[in-house]
Amino acid sequence: EVHLLESGGGLVQPGGSLRLSCAASGFSFSGYSMSWVRQAPGKGLDWVSVIDHSGTNTYYADSVKGRFTVSRDNSKNMLFLQLNSLRAEDTAVYYCAKDEVVPGTPGTWGQGTLVTVSS
Amino acid sequence: DIVMTQSPLSLPVTLGQPASISCRSSQSLVHSDGNTYLNWFQQRPGQSPRRLIYKVSNRDSGVPDRFSGSGSGTDFTLKISRVEAEDVGIYYCMQGTNWPRTFGQGTRVDIK
Repeated sequence: EVHLLESGGGLVQPGGSLRLSCAASGFSFSGYSMSWVRQAPGKGLDWVSVIDHSGTNTYYADSVKGRFTVSRDNSKNMLFLQLNSLRAEDTAVYYCAKDEVVPGTPGTWGQGTLVTVSS
Repeated sequence: DIVMTQSPLSLPVTLGQPASISCRSSQSLVHSDGNTYLNWFQQRPGQSPRRLIYKVSNRDSGVPDRFSGSGSGTDFTLKISRVEAEDVGIYYCMQGTNWPRTFGQGTRVDIK
């Protein structure tokens, strides 16, 4: 069974940084692209980023480009999202997801980790 | 970016009755490979999203057959043949054809 467990969320001040992690199990992690999707409190889903299976290619939403960096460690079945220069509007639950069908299309989702940007 | 527009945004339904949600994209979702990468997700209250439908009309594993997807080009529909209590939640369409991927605003389905 596919299992995705996010961690690393918390309260951070505007302009600060945070690193999110996602531990994957139950599937051949190195064979799949992985995505991050966020959801601000009471709002809809917002696609953030994708990384291909090897870690070679990445894409970002315009709203996070230059501030967020996605990476992965296939030897440890881990996905990461580095969040820099955080803004209040980045406050959200961040989900990692296993892409299925095409890259950037989440199939199976984790339970999410909450990032709160506030002074 | 491709804009995904859903309607209605709120859908009160009677148990056992059908429900239909529309999703329109600002440009065609037909990929150069010939596929149309339109997905539907369900988010029940307090839960993570779950994909129901991929490539317009293909149900994910474990999804009840009362859910069906249809459409082409820029116009798509998710139908629930007979709404059950467990179908309450928010439904999102998402395009997987162009970068960046984009979601619709969501349609809240609840019971009358």
